[in-house]
Amino acid sequence: EAQVTQNPRYLITVTGKKLTVTCSQNMNHEYMSWYRQDPGLGLRQIYYSMNVEVTDKGDVPEGYKVSRKEKRNFPLILESPSPNQTSLYFCASSLSSRSNEQFFGPGTRLTVL
Amino acid sequence: AQSVTQLDSQVPVFEEAPVELRCNYSSSVSVYLFWYVQYPNQGLQLLLKYLSGSTLVKGINGFEAEFNKSQTSFHLRKPSVHISDTAEYFCAVTEDGNKLVFGAGTILRVKS
Repeated sequence: EAQVTQNPRYLITVTGKKLTVTCSQNMNHEYMSWYRQDPGLGLRQIYYSMNVEVTDKGDVPEGYKVSRKEKRNFPLILESPSPNQTSLYFCASSLSSRSNEQFFGPGTRLTVL
Repeated sequence: AQSVTQLDSQVPVFEEAPVELRCNYSSSVSVYLFWYVQYPNQGLQLLLKYLSGSTLVKGINGFEAEFNKSQTSFHLRKPSVHISDTAEYFCAVTEDGNKLVFGAGTILRVKS
């Protein structure tokens, strides 16, 4: 089944403890992206990647890192999480940025205490 | 810079009634426009998209939207809603296909 998977789905952590949220797609998509969803703000783009080893900042990149060493994986790294990073995170992928239809993962709910 | 405004945070409507969810965008260049739906505790699913051509776009589940360049709008419509349409709907815009900007969302509540 074609899909975008994220792990973990739920995570409660403490301030300053490094964490990684994994994202993987099995559709051979070139483009991948991370968003955070907060009530009343919709989804805001954190980082995106147009292909392997090519990443760029979205609208809210502060406090996050990403890497794209393989086509299928696009992990989101929080080196020192803070409570304002408590949010619902979505990974998405598309065949290429020009194809424009993004397929979304199920989401990761992160709570930073 | 591009931005999206969804004019209603919540829209209550009775089953089988028509509905319109409003979306306005701002951009200085040509854009691509999308509507996504999010059912409770799920990810987002594409309803429809406008890339070019006909300004009336039909999507899944009986939804359609009309691109109006002069009014910079992309309103979503359905002539008769069902209980199962209860969800949050997001309008989104991109100028280059890389940076996708979402509106704040509209919660559609369908009542029986």
